[in-house]
Amino acid sequence: RKEVEQDPGPFNVPEGATVAFNCTYSNSASQSFFWYRQDCRKEPKLLMSVYSSGNEDGRFTAQLNRASQYISLLIRDSKLSDSATYLCVVGGGSYIPTFGRGTSLIVHP
Amino acid sequence: ETGVTQSPTHLIKTRGQQVTLRCSSQSGHNTVSWYQQALGQGPQFIFQYYREEENGRGNFPPRFSGLQFPNYSSELNVNALELDDSALYLCASSLPTPSGQREQFFGPGTRLTVL
Repeated sequence: RKEVEQDPGPFNVPEGATVAFNCTYSNSASQSFFWYRQDCRKEPKLLMSVYSSGNEDGRFTAQLNRASQYISLLIRDSKLSDSATYLCVVGGGSYIPTFGRGTSLIVHP
Repeated sequence: ETGVTQSPTHLIKTRGQQVTLRCSSQSGHNTVSWYQQALGQGPQFIFQYYREEENGRGNFPPRFSGLQFPNYSSELNVNALELDDSALYLCASSLPTPSGQREQFFGPGTRLTVL
């Protein structure tokens, strides 16, 4: 089993839709969790950290489920500009971060 | 803009050559990490430097080496280049947050092609 797994997609959704991605991780000692966004041929940009209590930033909500060892990202009211690859990152106690391969989102008119 | 810069932006080398990539971290960030990203994959952690010392290493051979300088800028050196080393090389700088999480900010990357 890979350390961090994501469905590569693509997820193809219309504008205004709600879409959710999951990311599973294998190391139960993981302590740090993040979502990054990466546009084609660009660097990853931090979207949000994921806290145990969950967190929300505008249309984006991130959740952590330690019991089932996954994190999720929910995007409400999708915009065309949300089209990108969404990468989850999981870090252990020594903080060697492991990226998933990313989930591709395409928002169409 | 994250304030993390990398040079060069593109590089073409041949097998067996050596390459040095450079990174300037965001002001005040004392930790720099290097990643290799192949097409269609997520970034793979190479190593991390904290206050000029290597502080964690991924599954990369010794021909991948690095340095961090007193101003926290960093270099990634790759010896004896192989075709599979062709990738986007990303540098990220970070500082621990009050919550203990370490948010990383990436530079634009160096695209290395090995022929």
